[in-house]
Amino acid sequence: NAGVTQTPKFRVLKTGQSMTLLCAQDMNHEYMYWYRQDPGMGLRLIHYSVGEGTTAKGEVPDGYNVSRLKKQNFLLGLESAAPSQTSVYFCASRKTGGATNEKLFFGSGTQLSVL
Amino acid sequence: SQQGEEDPQALSIQEGENATMNCSYKTSINNLQWYRQNSGRGLVHLILIRSNEREKHSGRLRVTLDTSKKSSSLLITASRAADTASYFCAPRNSGNTPLVFGKGTRLSVIA
Repeated sequence: NAGVTQTPKFRVLKTGQSMTLLCAQDMNHEYMYWYRQDPGMGLRLIHYSVGEGTTAKGEVPDGYNVSRLKKQNFLLGLESAAPSQTSVYFCASRKTGGATNEKLFFGSGTQLSVL
Repeated sequence: SQQGEEDPQALSIQEGENATMNCSYKTSINNLQWYRQNSGRGLVHLILIRSNEREKHSGRLRVTLDTSKKSSSLLITASRAADTASYFCAPRNSGNTPLVFGKGTRLSVIA
C-alpha cells in the first residue's frame, strides 16, 4: 500500500515548455486535489476532483489543466510553463462520506523550477 | 471553503516544554483539522475535531475548539526535537468543499 505517489519528484523546465505531473493513489479514494506551496504562502488549491471524469477549479487554477480519466490518477498539466509556476506541488486524496473519512492523505511533493 | 489563520507564525521552545498554537476562522464549521508538515515533506493529518466537540486528545496532542469565538488551539505537551515542523489548521464548512490551508505555524524545538 503505497498511499499517494507523485512523479516526478524534481523537474527543471524552461519558460514555455510543457509538462504533466502525475498523482496516483491506491486507496480507492474518490476525491483528489492539487496544491502548490510557495515560501511564506502556505498551500493554495489549484484544481480538485470529486470523482472519475470530474474536475473543478480551486483558488489558483490559471495556467494549469487537469484530468481524471481513471479513479486512481489525477494529472496536472502545465501547457506553457512560466517562472511564476516555480513551486512545490502536492497532491492529496481522501475518501468520501462521514467525518472519519475526511482526512487528507498527501504525496511527498514535486519540486518544479521554471527558468 | 474557508482558510484558517494560524498564530503565531513562528514558535521556538526548548525540548520538554509545551507548545501551543492557535487557529482562527471566520464562518461556522462542520469540523476542523490539524496537519503537520516536516521540512520538504507532504502534510500529515494529526487530528479532527467536530463542531459539537470541545476538546480532543491524541497522545501528546490536545486540541480545543471554541465555536463561539471561532477559534481552535493545538497543544503539544513535553515537546521533542522531532516535533519541529510546520502546523496547519483547516476548518471545513460542510459537504464536499475542499480544504484550504493558511501559512501555518513554524515550530522549532531546540534540544
